[in-house]
Amino acid sequence: DGGITQSPKYLFRKEGQNVTLSCEQNLNHDAMYWYRQDPGQGLRLIYYSQIVNDFQKGDIAEGYSVSREKKESFPLTVTSAQKNPTAFYLCASSIDRGIGQPQHFGDGTRLSIL
Amino acid sequence: EDQVTQSPEALRLQEGESSSLNCSYTVSGLRGLFWYRQDPGKGPEFLFTLYSAGEEKEKERLKATLTKKESFLHITAPKPEDSATYLCAVQAYTGFQKLVFGTGTRLLVSP
Repeated sequence: DGGITQSPKYLFRKEGQNVTLSCEQNLNHDAMYWYRQDPGQGLRLIYYSQIVNDFQKGDIAEGYSVSREKKESFPLTVTSAQKNPTAFYLCASSIDRGIGQPQHFGDGTRLSIL
Repeated sequence: EDQVTQSPEALRLQEGESSSLNCSYTVSGLRGLFWYRQDPGKGPEFLFTLYSAGEEKEKERLKATLTKKESFLHITAPKPEDSATYLCAVQAYTGFQKLVFGTGTRLLVSP
């Protein structure tokens, strides 16, 4: 079955530590995205990538970094510079052509502070 | 600035009691409006895309409609398994596929 796999499901970060969230897709989609979801707020875009070896900042990129070395993979690193990292992180992908293509989501990683 | 407002924040229905969820939007050129369903602890699941005013889409007990300012998700004779948070998002002509999300409507259907 095609889909988006995020791991781990739960992650704990210590003060001063960088952590990396994994996102893999086998849908052959060109574009991939990272969102953050907080209670009472809509999903907010962190980073997106339309093609391998290229990515752009979203609305809340400070304290985060990404890479896109393979079409299938788009890992997100939450750095120690992100002072409020506790949230539900969602990865998505879409066919990056045509009008209004939907984004498809993985099942998320919940990050908490120890 | 593109904006999406969903109402109500929460809705409680009895099984079989039909109702509608609202998604009001302001966007600089609508490229598409999307409805998603999200279960607790899961990622959003895509339901519908609407592209232009007057368009309607249906799936089982759900029907989505679109006007120039808002979209409605009509739920006919809901069942307890329809309980979830329903998210609305819009995509504008910004040059890439950015979605702007509303905060969602939490639906609880009681037996």
